[in-house]
Amino acid sequence: AQKITQTQPGMFVQEKEAVTLDCTYDTSDPSYGLFWYKQPSSGEMIFLIYQGSYDQQNATEGRYSLNFQKARKSANLVISASQLGDSAMYFCAMREGLNTGNQFYFGTGTSLTVIP
Amino acid sequence: DAGVIQSPRHEVTEMGQEVTLRCKPISGHNSLFWYRQTMMRGLELLIYFNNNVPIDDSGMPEDRFSAKMPNASFSTLKIQPSEPRDSAVYFCASSLGGGNSPLHFGNGTRLTVT
Repeated sequence: AQKITQTQPGMFVQEKEAVTLDCTYDTSDPSYGLFWYKQPSSGEMIFLIYQGSYDQQNATEGRYSLNFQKARKSANLVISASQLGDSAMYFCAMREGLNTGNQFYFGTGTSLTVIP
Repeated sequence: DAGVIQSPRHEVTEMGQEVTLRCKPISGHNSLFWYRQTMMRGLELLIYFNNNVPIDDSGMPEDRFSAKMPNASFSTLKIQPSEPRDSAVYFCASSLGGGNSPLHFGNGTRLTVT
């Protein structure tokens, strides 16, 4: 089974609107971290936001927030007030366990286009 | 703090030549990862190290690929001999240990094998 599933290959959003990018994960480890990355057309991978499996509150970083639904094993990224610069690929990732040396599992990504 | 540093940024080589990609992780990070990204296959984990020791190299496509981490501040990914299908962007990334530590990526090396 896929560890990380992103079912939306492409998404469009109107500038200044909010958009939700879906991510579901699969793990039997009670301890894990969930991450979102942005990859603009220039190619670099930018870390956006982190959610820990034991965190009681949804993570927020500026216009980014993570809608964490543990029972559903989903970790959707919400971008509020979209800007043209938000157009990019977005990757969801998971790291299991609290031990040193575990690998990261990445989804296939969602391409977001912000329409002016 | 300097981020993950990769060199070269771009590499164009002919089929059959040896290619060496280099990476300097963030100081203090003890996990290092090599990824390959293509349009067809997306982001693939090739190999990762923990405390300079290779942990999982199951993603290395074949024996033509090898990776080393002789010390905590340097790693190489070598392809010998290179083939056109190796053309991709190769990312190096580093992280502290622990599930709550994000992965920090270098800017990548764009490899073109003609």
